[in-house]
Amino acid sequence: GAGVSQSPSNKVTEKGKDVELRCDPISGHTALYWYRQSLGQGLEFLIYFQGNSAPDKSGLPSDRFSAERTGGSVSTLTIQRTQQEDSAVYLCASSLVGSEQYFGPGTRLTVT
Amino acid sequence: GQQLNQSPQSMFIQEGEDVSMNCTSSSIFNTWLWYKQDPGEGPVLLIALYKAGELTSNGRLTAQFGITRKDSFLNISASIPSDVGIYFCAGPGYGGATNKLIFGTGTLLAVQP
Repeated sequence: GAGVSQSPSNKVTEKGKDVELRCDPISGHTALYWYRQSLGQGLEFLIYFQGNSAPDKSGLPSDRFSAERTGGSVSTLTIQRTQQEDSAVYLCASSLVGSEQYFGPGTRLTVT
Repeated sequence: GQQLNQSPQSMFIQEGEDVSMNCTSSSIFNTWLWYKQDPGEGPVLLIALYKAGELTSNGRLTAQFGITRKDSFLNISASIPSDVGIYFCAGPGYGGATNKLIFGTGTLLAVQP
């Protein structure tokens, strides 16, 4: 079956602009995660959605970052007023509750 | 906060060689996960460890959950070119939250045919 998909695969934006990154999880997976991977670094947890529960936003680095998940499926990560330090690969993962996380290919964001 | 330190940072080996890498933490983990990331892809889970002292194999890969619960090791035997990639260890975040995985900085493996 289809895995986790993310779009766009690459995004170049100017400093100060807003960007939206999309994640389509595996069908039936109730848990969805966003991570950020800076160059040469491991993954950094950003936010977690589980069913209809309030999301765990404890990893969001600033109030410029927000995410939503509509209908318990597709999720959008929004970064407002982008800064150069936001340049990274943004990875989405989904899972059944308490089970292995399956990752998408990521969106490479470059802020110029 | 919790951190996972991986070593070595990178390895350049010949095809057929065995590889060993490790991951250490200043705090105790009750689960250790090992992932591999190919270029342009997301990480893929290789092995999961849930018990101190546990030794688990997956084909040519073997991983061990350290007895102190503060470290883990991954070994790859008879490496092949497709083993190339970045290997990450990971564990549950603060309080054992499996929804908030903490990742190490990774070990880059290059295999010369």
